[in-house]
Amino acid sequence: AQSVAQPEDQVNVAEGNPLTVKCTYSVSGNPYLFWYVQYPNRGLQFLLKYITGDNLVKGSYGFEAEFNKSQTSFHLKKPSALVSDSALYFCAVRDSNFGNEKLTFGTGTRLTIIP
Amino acid sequence: DADVTQTPRNRITKTGKRIMLECSQTKGHDRMYWYRQDPGLGLRLIYYSFDVKDINKGEISDGYSVSRQAQAKFSLSLESAIPNQTALYFCATSDFGYDTQYFGPGTRLTVL
Repeated sequence: AQSVAQPEDQVNVAEGNPLTVKCTYSVSGNPYLFWYVQYPNRGLQFLLKYITGDNLVKGSYGFEAEFNKSQTSFHLKKPSALVSDSALYFCAVRDSNFGNEKLTFGTGTRLTIIP
Repeated sequence: DADVTQTPRNRITKTGKRIMLECSQTKGHDRMYWYRQDPGLGLRLIYYSFDVKDINKGEISDGYSVSRQAQAKFSLSLESAIPNQTALYFCATSDFGYDTQYFGPGTRLTVL
């Protein structure tokens, strides 16, 4: 079975400071990892994904994430937070094995950027 | 979001009523999904379809059914709605197994 943990329900960061939203995962094979963002009254928007290759993945709006296989983590980061980054963030994982192509989502982390 | 549309966007209904939520996509994707979102629980998969003739149950399919009328259309039905089906429902599409899923704007369903 595959699973995702987002250990923090809420993260508060001052504007201009670096931000990190944590995600750890569990799969039986190799992971495909995703970050999505949800703004109020909107659907989920894709931010970035790790499939293979470079452990540091760059995505939309200046976000990046680092895949760490030994720690089974895929933390989302941004060097300088903006108030407009305030939203609900979801990490998701699926096993790379063919035939197991369902995404499992974490419970979400609400990021609040304080002006 | 415009590539994946959901109707209605909001719906209030009563216990026991039959409800259908509709999803249409213009992305040309074969794969479509229905999720529900509850506070503190994230998104949970209800049903998914890899093509018109392929329908699969997700982790929480009890009380729900689906119909894939065409490549572009995937409907979710609640045969007899109950209050604990009050949630935000999302449709999503993808082009291949590990590719990005694209989400619709959601339907907020309230069952009284």
